[in-house]
Amino acid sequence: NAGVTQTPKFQVLKTGQSMTLQCAQDMNHNSMYWYRQDPGMGLRLIYYSASEGTTDKGEVPNGYNVSRLNKREFSLRLESAAPSQTSVYFCASSDSPDTGNTIYFGEGSWLTVV
Amino acid sequence: AQSVTQLDSQVPVFEEAPVELRCNYSSSVSVYLFWYVQYPNQGLQLLLKYLSGSTLVESINGFEAEFNKSQTSFHLRKPSVHISDTAEYFCAVSDARPLDTGRRALTFGSGTRLQVQP
Repeated sequence: NAGVTQTPKFQVLKTGQSMTLQCAQDMNHNSMYWYRQDPGMGLRLIYYSASEGTTDKGEVPNGYNVSRLNKREFSLRLESAAPSQTSVYFCASSDSPDTGNTIYFGEGSWLTVV
Repeated sequence: AQSVTQLDSQVPVFEEAPVELRCNYSSSVSVYLFWYVQYPNQGLQLLLKYLSGSTLVESINGFEAEFNKSQTSFHLRKPSVHISDTAEYFCAVSDARPLDTGRRALTFGSGTRLQVQP
């Protein structure tokens, strides 16, 4: 029972480099999310996708782009990484409103920008 | 928009003692409320949630939380903690109105680190 799978788990980037975080879910959920977690700040929403083919900005979208490739996959791209983007990134997906839209998280991707 | 305040960043407690982790929220609309737990180097796992009905909700591992609308609180409690409960706990809120699911993204508090000592 894989749930939400994200890769890579660890990555070190130099300032200005680009990279893509990959995420896939096998629960047939319509909605997917990318959050970042920083010490003392909880989780903040970067982007979300309500359904295949749609994406919307969250609280902290600057410096990121996303692609909802199909119902299963939702990727996050850093075009020109900055030290301020050093963080732990979580992909998540959610079930139906009837069950309270419970959100299920991947195990996280630790990104360091030097 | 909603916001969540977790007043305690760290809560040290001895094993088998009771604990309460505080959570207050702010919202102009009806909300769903959640507690998530994060063990070291792992993702977040749902602990319990309030959607409607009984204001007292329980998890399978002995935690409970009570929705108090007048005080806009959703405090998490456990009568007797174990070493294995050491983790970070996040309170979260989402809009309960009939919306597209994507607009029901969670807003999180800053987290409370529960440290259970022997």
